[in-house]
Amino acid sequence: QVQLQESGPGLVKPSETLSLTCSVSDYSLSSGDHWAWIRQVPGKGLEWIGSVLHSGNTYYSLSLKSRISISLDTSKKQFSLNLRSMTAADTAVYYCAKELPPVGTAMISWGQGTLVTVSS
Amino acid sequence: QSALTQPPSASGSPGQSVTISCTGTSSDVGGYKYVSWYQQHPGKAPKLMIYEVNKRPSGVPDRFSGSKSDNTASLTVSGLQAEDEADYYCSSYAGSNNLRVFGGGTKLTVL
Repeated sequence: QVQLQESGPGLVKPSETLSLTCSVSDYSLSSGDHWAWIRQVPGKGLEWIGSVLHSGNTYYSLSLKSRISISLDTSKKQFSLNLRSMTAADTAVYYCAKELPPVGTAMISWGQGTLVTVSS
Repeated sequence: QSALTQPPSASGSPGQSVTISCTGTSSDVGGYKYVSWYQQHPGKAPKLMIYEVNKRPSGVPDRFSGSKSDNTASLTVSGLQAEDEADYYCSSYAGSNNLRVFGGGTKLTVL
């Protein structure tokens, strides 16, 4: 059973860049893997942020596309999210997840989530 | 405003069945077989309950079932149990340009 763990700062100042990492364990990465970031504003619904394939190809939410980048480091078994120009509206619990193939199907495994607060 | 529309709440008594709807468009729910449902208990990460409209991951009870008709997908929970009380979210593939959309969530209460 794959294990996912998010890591990164719990507090980010407005206008700064958020950098989060998801570490994958108990699993051997393969060419068919897809990985995703999802967030949830406290008390609100889920929002897909973006996905990265084993090949390095990425898919981004249209609403966040101008501010995000997602990358995969297979040697470290990690994938990362960078979200630029943070505002209070980006305060949320950020989850990383493993997707079922093909990309866009469903998130089969989730990390526990990490709360990121944007505040000066 | 979420891309997919779900009722904010649903309820049923133990042992009963309840169905939660998820309405989209021909560009998402109606256009693809990639509809999924997630269960989320308070303070916990979501858990995949249904994928590809009606498939259950290993370990998900067969009390949970999914279906789709045109632009509306549905999740049915049969034989309601207390532990089924949670928030439920639907999601759909929405094309290669904007991969995935979610519904706003439905709070299921077991009376």
